[in-house]
Amino acid sequence: QKEVEQDPGPLSVPEGAIVSLNCTYSNSAFQYFMWYRQYSRKGPELLMYTYSSGNKEDGRFTAQVDKSSKYISLFIRDSQPSDSATYLCAMISFSGGYNKLIFGAGTRLAVHP
Amino acid sequence: GAGVSQSPSNKVTEKGKDVELRCDPISGHTALYWYRQSLGQGLEFLIYFQGNSAPDKSGLPSDRFSAERTGGSVSTLTIQRTQQEDSAVYLCASSIVDRGNIQYFGAGTRLSVL
Repeated sequence: QKEVEQDPGPLSVPEGAIVSLNCTYSNSAFQYFMWYRQYSRKGPELLMYTYSSGNKEDGRFTAQVDKSSKYISLFIRDSQPSDSATYLCAMISFSGGYNKLIFGAGTRLAVHP
Repeated sequence: GAGVSQSPSNKVTEKGKDVELRCDPISGHTALYWYRQSLGQGLEFLIYFQGNSAPDKSGLPSDRFSAERTGGSVSTLTIQRTQQEDSAVYLCASSIVDRGNIQYFGAGTRLSVL
């Protein structure tokens, strides 16, 4: 079993829809949770970054962490065609030798006009 | 300032040849990471450099893969005797290591082994 599970999609939604992207994880030592966005032929860019459980909002994006369920979500409101990308969740564990970043497989999102 | 720079952006090589991929991290970032991303897959950790410490090579898939970081800045990932299964995008990231460890990525090198 992978440490981080993420449905690869693809997920196709109409413009203006609310998008929900999710990851589950197995390692309770994870403390920092991130969402990266990756456009085609580009490197991942950090979108959202949260510590421990709770919600964090930034514009149309909301990141949610539920450590008791080992489940994180990214919500995109009023989705736009420019949101079409692959979204990767990532988590940091401080156990072991260093701050290792573990990525999910990424979910491909397509927002169509 | 400038982001993480990787070169070449694309590399096509023949099976059995050696390749070198270069990463120029963000100035002042002490940590540097190499990842591999295969089609439809997440990022696979390869190697991590932090300051003058010995690198963490635990992710390197075979002894054909090696990396070095000169002067605490530029890094080169070398793949010897390339195989078709080495075809992937090789991503480099750098960070200032703290409890947040936010990694900033380059655009990657797309390697195709024919």
